[in-house]
Amino acid sequence: NAGVTQTPKFQVLKTGQSMTLQCAQDMNHNSMYWYRQDPGMGLRLIYYSASEGTTDKGEVPNGYNVSRLNKREFSLRLESAAPSQTSVYFCASSEPTGLNEKLFFGSGTQLSVL
Amino acid sequence: TQLLEQSPQFLSIQEGENLTVYCNSSSVFSSLQWYRQEPGEGPVLLVTVVTGGEVKKLKRLTFQFGDARKDSSLHITAAQTGDTGLYLCAGSINTGGFKTIFGAGTRLFVKA
Repeated sequence: NAGVTQTPKFQVLKTGQSMTLQCAQDMNHNSMYWYRQDPGMGLRLIYYSASEGTTDKGEVPNGYNVSRLNKREFSLRLESAAPSQTSVYFCASSEPTGLNEKLFFGSGTQLSVL
Repeated sequence: TQLLEQSPQFLSIQEGENLTVYCNSSSVFSSLQWYRQEPGEGPVLLVTVVTGGEVKKLKRLTFQFGDARKDSSLHITAAQTGDTGLYLCAGSINTGGFKTIFGAGTRLFVKA
């Protein structure tokens, strides 16, 4: 059982370049998320998708776009990368149960923008 | 703005020592989760606490949810080198859908 799979693992971009981070989950979860993790700032939500066909902005959406391609896949696109987008990116999925939500994370993409 | 403050940010201890990590907020949460993250990997859920005052134990780890559901603590007894990692607390608020916010984390290093 693969869980949440992210690609690529590492990426280096020049300022202004574009790229798409891919994410897929095999747990049949409705909700999927993209977070970025920066030192001393914890995980911050970029975008999320509560179900197939819907996407919503999170805390730090500027400079990013997302696509919920189907129930399994949720991609994150940087149209014109900036050094401020250097970070570790995590995709997650979840299925709410009662009063709480258990998040399953991928192993992350380490992105450097030069 | 809802914030979750974790303390301490860094902790370096000897194997066998006890430690407590704190997670505090002014917001009331539906539930609070603790995650552990190892280098190069994503966070992995350790436990979820839901009821105010709830205490959960996972081997040498004890998790407590504050009575007012605004804070939580993680206590590790007799730390082992395998406990080394980044510990993250996350609070969930049910606003029709769930909104989860994360603390900045406590980086624990247990020395042999």
